[in-house]
Amino acid sequence: GAGVSQSPRYKVAKRGQDVALRCDPISGHVSLFWYQQALGQGPEFLTYFQNEAQLDKSGLPSDRFFAERPEGSVSTLKIQRTQQEDSAVYLCASTLRVVQETQYFGPGTRLLVL
Amino acid sequence: KQEVTQIPAALSVPEGENLVLNCSFTDSAIYNLQWFRQDPGKGLTSLLLIQSSQREQTSGRLNASLDKSSGRSTLYIAASQPGDSATYLCAVEDAGKSTFGDGTTLTVKP
Repeated sequence: GAGVSQSPRYKVAKRGQDVALRCDPISGHVSLFWYQQALGQGPEFLTYFQNEAQLDKSGLPSDRFFAERPEGSVSTLKIQRTQQEDSAVYLCASTLRVVQETQYFGPGTRLLVL
Repeated sequence: KQEVTQIPAALSVPEGENLVLNCSFTDSAIYNLQWFRQDPGKGLTSLLLIQSSQREQTSGRLNASLDKSSGRSTLYIAASQPGDSATYLCAVEDAGKSTFGDGTTLTVKP
């Protein structure tokens, strides 16, 4: 497939568990973005990478959230000690070059913390 | 802090009607504005991207305008179809960080 893929599509975690969400951007895309979307709301920016460099992580809600993109392609968003308020859809998007371009979104990972 | 508002939150129209969705933002220092479509349980699909130096973009039955000075954008959908039923989101970008509105949920009735 040529689009952005995310895995898993659904994740149920017990409160306190650690989770890891994966994003495979479109091959060759330089920039990668993570968003959190609560039910009935628009996506909220979490963090953004250009190649392997994390240029902006101002949207990460707490130090329990960590994102990496070590080789400039696949990215992982890790949430430690999950809490119920972390339940949301986590969306990943990529752009071909730097910013100011069309963002291509993946289908999202729906996280439910019980 | 940038804030994006979309009005109305929901809209129901009969098939064939022309309609306008509104988006407003508080900080005019933006790089671009994008309109997206989101179907239930799915990711977002980009519809139109307007750079800050542009005033409008068109794609098929869709036309989006941007008035940066007043902090407003509109998405015009001509001759609406049931397949247009979805949530429409606008987002403004500033240096890699995009701020989204909460969307307008459109229902087009056959």
